[in-house]
Amino acid sequence: NAGVMQNPRHLVRRRGQEARLRCSPVKGHSHVYWYRQLPEEGLKFMVYLQKENIIDESGMPKERFSAEFPKEGPSILRIQQVVRGDSAAYFCASSPYGGAGTGGMNEQFFGPGTRLTVL
Amino acid sequence: EDQVTQSPEALRLQEGESSSLNCSYTVSGLRGLFWYRQDPGKGPEFLFTLYSAGEEKEKERLKATLTKKESFLHITAPKPEDSATYLCAVQDYTGRRALTFGSGTRLQVQP
Repeated sequence: NAGVMQNPRHLVRRRGQEARLRCSPVKGHSHVYWYRQLPEEGLKFMVYLQKENIIDESGMPKERFSAEFPKEGPSILRIQQVVRGDSAAYFCASSPYGGAGTGGMNEQFFGPGTRLTVL
Repeated sequence: EDQVTQSPEALRLQEGESSSLNCSYTVSGLRGLFWYRQDPGKGPEFLFTLYSAGEEKEKERLKATLTKKESFLHITAPKPEDSATYLCAVQDYTGRRALTFGSGTRLQVQP
């Protein structure tokens, strides 16, 4: 069984360029989460998506960041006009359940991450 | 706002020397407490979910316990391959699915 897949694993961008990070959830999972891990800091929630819907984007920076999870294909985290402070590891997680009344089965399984370096 | 504090920040053990990692939390109604293991350069690997005070779960040399204010990850007779960062996270009942993580405990087990 394939777990969560992320690509690229490493991404180098110059200031002002765009970064696109891709995440394919565990087969059968329809809930995707993005987290960011800054150097020497813990994991911070960014956004939660279901197919074609953004459910919770309370952790997303207001500008330059966007996320989508289309009906077909992987989830994409897009960072426009990157700055050095965007350098971090970005992790995607997926779960099989997400809504109320699911009995609490909401374990999130993480991918290997994309390490973004902004020069 | 949910908060998670893990201690110690770093722990060095000799092989076979048992110990415990602590995770203290403040949450507006605990939906679940999660333990993960993270190796350098990799993503967090799911270990356990605990839902209510008094609950315990075990996996090989690891045992997780939960009270109303904290969780412990007990490591019995650790081996060098148990060396990793152990992360604790909580999810609350507000309807948000986001996990709030602690900063982790870096465990090093020496042979």
